[in-house]
Amino acid sequence: DGGITQSPKYLFRKEGQNVTLSCEQNLNHDAMYWYRQDPGQGLRLIYYSQIVNDFQKGDIAEGYSVSREKKESFPLTVTSAQKNPTAFYLCASSIGRDYSNQPQHFGDGTRLSIL
Amino acid sequence: SQQGEEDPQALSIQEGENATMNCSYKTSINNLQWYRQNSGRGLVHLILIRSNEREKHSGRLRVTLDTSKKSSSLLITASRAADTASYFCATDPYTGRRALTFGSGTRLQVQP
Repeated sequence: DGGITQSPKYLFRKEGQNVTLSCEQNLNHDAMYWYRQDPGQGLRLIYYSQIVNDFQKGDIAEGYSVSREKKESFPLTVTSAQKNPTAFYLCASSIGRDYSNQPQHFGDGTRLSIL
Repeated sequence: SQQGEEDPQALSIQEGENATMNCSYKTSINNLQWYRQNSGRGLVHLILIRSNEREKHSGRLRVTLDTSKKSSSLLITASRAADTASYFCATDPYTGRRALTFGSGTRLQVQP
């Protein structure tokens, strides 16, 4: 079955630590996205990538970093500079060539908490 | 800032009733999409309506779009307990950013 896999499902971060959230897709999609969702809130865009080796900042990129070395993978690193990282993180992908005309497919998220 | 804002923020109805959720947005768009999110899960795409369309149906879902009022509505008919979820609209504002902007969502509770 094609889809998006996010891991781990739960993650805990210690003070001053960087943590990396994994996102892998086997849908052959060009575009991938990272969103942050706080309790009872909508999605805010962190980073997105339309093609391998290229990515763009979203609305709340500070304290986060990404890489896109392979089409299938778009890992997100939450750095120690992100002072309030506790949230639900969602990864998504879409075909990409016409981003507004295509649905986004989502993983089941990673819940990050501070120890 | 959020392009789309859903109304109401929360809605509780009885099974069998219809549920209507509204989405307002600020700038011109090409398309508007609706998504559903079950608690603790990712979003699932429901329906896409283009700016030159006024109404679209998919099963028990009916979506309308009024570009003059910059608003859309999602109607779920004959609701079921399994429809309990949060519903989000997403737009593609003309900002040069090639990514959707999601609203804050409507939390729907369908009582059995």
